[in-house]
Amino acid sequence: EAQVTQNPRYLITVTGKKLTVTCSQNMNHEYMSWYRQDPGLGLRQIYYSMNVEVTDKGDVPEGYKVSRKEKRNFPLILESPSPNQTSLYFCASRPGQINEKLFFGSGTQLSVL
Amino acid sequence: DQQVKQNSPSLSVQEGRISILNCDYTNSMFDYFLWYKKYPAEGPTFLISISSIKDKNEDGRFTVFLNKSAKHLSLHIVPSQPGDSAVYFCAASSYTNAGKSTFGDGTTLTVKP
Repeated sequence: EAQVTQNPRYLITVTGKKLTVTCSQNMNHEYMSWYRQDPGLGLRQIYYSMNVEVTDKGDVPEGYKVSRKEKRNFPLILESPSPNQTSLYFCASRPGQINEKLFFGSGTQLSVL
Repeated sequence: DQQVKQNSPSLSVQEGRISILNCDYTNSMFDYFLWYKKYPAEGPTFLISISSIKDKNEDGRFTVFLNKSAKHLSLHIVPSQPGDSAVYFCAASSYTNAGKSTFGDGTTLTVKP
């Protein structure tokens, strides 16, 4: 089944403790992206990757890191999480062009205490 | 500067009637617009899209209209069904900045039986 898999689904952590949210897609998509969803703010783009080893900032990249060493994986790294990073996170992928739809993962609910 | 706005946080309609969800944008460079639907505890899923060179696209009960001069698009659902109750996001992209996807805040649609 074609899908985008995020892990974990829920995560509670404390300020400053490094964490990684994994994202994997099995559709051989070139493009992958991370978003956060906050009440009243919709989906805001954190980072995106046009292809392997090609990443770039979205609208809210501060406090996050990403890497794209393989086509299928695009982990989101929070080196020193802070409470304002408490949010619902979504990973998404698409074949390549902007006229192609995004496939989203089920989301990761992160709470930073 | 919020480039894509959905000014109605919520909309309630009766089953069988038409639902109209609106989206406004400010960036005239957007080339492609997509609508996504999101149920609770799931990731967004693609619904329908439209290129900036068209003014209408139809797929079954769903039609998207684009008015470029007004920088406005709308999603029509006819007839509305209870299963359409969800959060709807509009999103915009441009070929000149293909990695960026800009989403609106979302509109929560409730279809009453």
